[in-house]
Amino acid sequence: GAVVSQHPSRVICKSGTSVKIECRSLDFQATTMFWYRQFPKQSLMLMATSNEGSKATYEQGVEKDKFLINHASLTLSTLTVTSAHPEDSSFYICSAKTEVYEQYFGPGTRLTVT
Amino acid sequence: AQSVTQLGSHVSVSEGALVLLRCNYSSSVPPYLFWYVQYPNQGLQLLLKYTSAATLVKGINGFEAEFKKSETSFHLTKPSAHMSDAAEYFCAVSGIRSSARQLTFGSGTQLTVLP
Repeated sequence: GAVVSQHPSRVICKSGTSVKIECRSLDFQATTMFWYRQFPKQSLMLMATSNEGSKATYEQGVEKDKFLINHASLTLSTLTVTSAHPEDSSFYICSAKTEVYEQYFGPGTRLTVT
Repeated sequence: AQSVTQLGSHVSVSEGALVLLRCNYSSSVPPYLFWYVQYPNQGLQLLLKYTSAATLVKGINGFEAEFKKSETSFHLTKPSAHMSDAAEYFCAVSGIRSSARQLTFGSGTQLTVLP
């Protein structure tokens, strides 16, 4: 149980285009989902917290107009990287949480912007 | 405010030797503490968690960690390393209140297991 999926696992896009990443909780309802970014050989940096049906809360320094987060249901959150540039290339990981303390992580999405 | 410090960005051990990965935390509220493992190009897998019950926590794959409040530590150990333990390990802390459930991660420790 407690499986979180992400789609796609890898994506390559051209500079200036937008990319959508999906995060789904497969066998539980997630009241809260988190989006993280991880650069090579570094730790996870929290980008934003999203609660179903409400606006996401972004961490300081994260551009909300560039990283659009939608949490339309208790099992799905999406991250859209708008007008992507090479510096947005990174590993994006989502996690989903129920009312208890544990977060369940997705397998990650490798974004490469050329 | 919460923070986690992992001492040693790289640790190498021989197969069969003791694994010790260090984690110290800082938290203004009683913490929940976690250890995660990450294999290349994959997400994070929970190894174990401390949630204010027993201070010695046993996790998967033979790992365990002990919460020591006086030392603000939550070091991860395994008696005998296996080649398959080679991975990146992250310590993380969160508050126990629902409003403080965000995880704060340490910088990670890359474990290498030598044959």
